[in-house]
Amino acid sequence: DAGVIQSPRHEVTEMGQEVTLRCKPISGHNSLFWYRQTMMRGLELLIYFNNNVPIDDSGMPEDRFSAKMPNASFSTLKIQPSEPRDSAVYFCATRQVTEAFFGQGTRLTVV
Amino acid sequence: RKEVEQDPGPFNVPEGATVAFNCTYSNSASQSFFWYRQDCRKEPKLLMSVYSSGNEDGRFTAQLNRASQYISLLIRDSKLSDSATYLCVVNTYNTNAGKSTFGDGTTLTVKP
Repeated sequence: DAGVIQSPRHEVTEMGQEVTLRCKPISGHNSLFWYRQTMMRGLELLIYFNNNVPIDDSGMPEDRFSAKMPNASFSTLKIQPSEPRDSAVYFCATRQVTEAFFGQGTRLTVV
Repeated sequence: RKEVEQDPGPFNVPEGATVAFNCTYSNSASQSFFWYRQDCRKEPKLLMSVYSSGNEDGRFTAQLNRASQYISLLIRDSKLSDSATYLCVVNTYNTNAGKSTFGDGTTLTVKP
């Protein structure tokens, strides 16, 4: 298995633009997590899904953020409109039973 | 209060030193525990699971104290390659699924 695949690896965008981050989980993993990591706030859980259903989105910072998981093979995290304070590394992680496996992350810079 | 709290560090130690990291969690319903390692500009990767009886993997020893809601990681004979950020992870399950909550990490630098 290729592991958790995230795209793009890097994204630079202007403030106000829509940003879509993508994640392909490891086949057979039924839980998917979106995290955001910054120096100031560490690794924050934004939202997680189980069997494609959002379970807890209490970590989503505001309405500008939305996440979907239309099927077991794909998830997106969308920011609309983006702001400079959204600049961070966004990780997707998936899990079958206990430990989570991470993708390589998307480094987002909003200018 | 954060759900998972760690010593912020940084820890700067010489090669060969023994170093210990601590982590506390607030949810007594938490059921599984891990230590992850994250290298600079990389994703976190599983270092080891933490079992109630304590477990060892080479130079690394992890312990869990459920009564005190406390997890520890001990690194013996530290190597330069151990330099990284170590993240404590706690899984808490509800009727649907479990979430994995990470501590902010403790940064270790091992110096020659």
